[in-house]
Amino acid sequence: AQSVTQPDIHITVSEGASLELRCNYSYGATPYLFWYVQSPGQGLQLLLKYFSGDTLVQGIKGFEAEFKRSQSSFNLRKPSVHWSDAAEYFCAVVTGNTNAGKSTFGDGTTLTVKP
Amino acid sequence: DVKVTQSSRYLVKRTGEKVFLECVQDMDHENMFWYRQDPGLGLRLIYFSYDVKMKEKGDIPEGYSVSREKKERFSLILESASTNQTSMYLCAATSAGRHEQFFGPGTRLTVL
Repeated sequence: AQSVTQPDIHITVSEGASLELRCNYSYGATPYLFWYVQSPGQGLQLLLKYFSGDTLVQGIKGFEAEFKRSQSSFNLRKPSVHWSDAAEYFCAVVTGNTNAGKSTFGDGTTLTVKP
Repeated sequence: DVKVTQSSRYLVKRTGEKVFLECVQDMDHENMFWYRQDPGLGLRLIYFSYDVKMKEKGDIPEGYSVSREKKERFSLILESASTNQTSMYLCAATSAGRHEQFFGPGTRLTVL
């Protein structure tokens, strides 16, 4: 069965430092991959997505992610974190009938930003 | 962008009550989803619908039912609320073949 693993439950970085959030997936075919962000008390917002083509994808708010098929990974990065980036981040993969858009989500990584 | 709204941000109900959570989307999307979110468990799919009057069970459908009489509206029903259904409930919508989901702000339900 397909699954998504985010190995880090909680990450703390200093403002201005670089960030990498890890995501590993288990899925037989070429996956459709997503990163979402959830600010406290809010719904999820799409940061970026990978369907095919260039394995380095750019998203909103200065985030990027790299798809590595050999490692079954889709890690999220940002070169310089801002205090407003403190939130929970979810990796997701679309599975099954892609017309249904059904996604499997990781358990999330909570990012804390130190001043 | 799609706007997804949920009828309540916060809701407090008593054990045994019938609870309705409403979700409305404004972009004519075919697919709609209900998730519950609990600390450390991520998002778990309760039900989804890919067309009017069509529904499929997700990973944790027990204790829940859904209704989709109109394309824009997807309701989650707790037939007899229990304390273990205290959670954050998130609704989402997506168009067929588009894949990324658009989420509502969530309803935090407390069952006493």
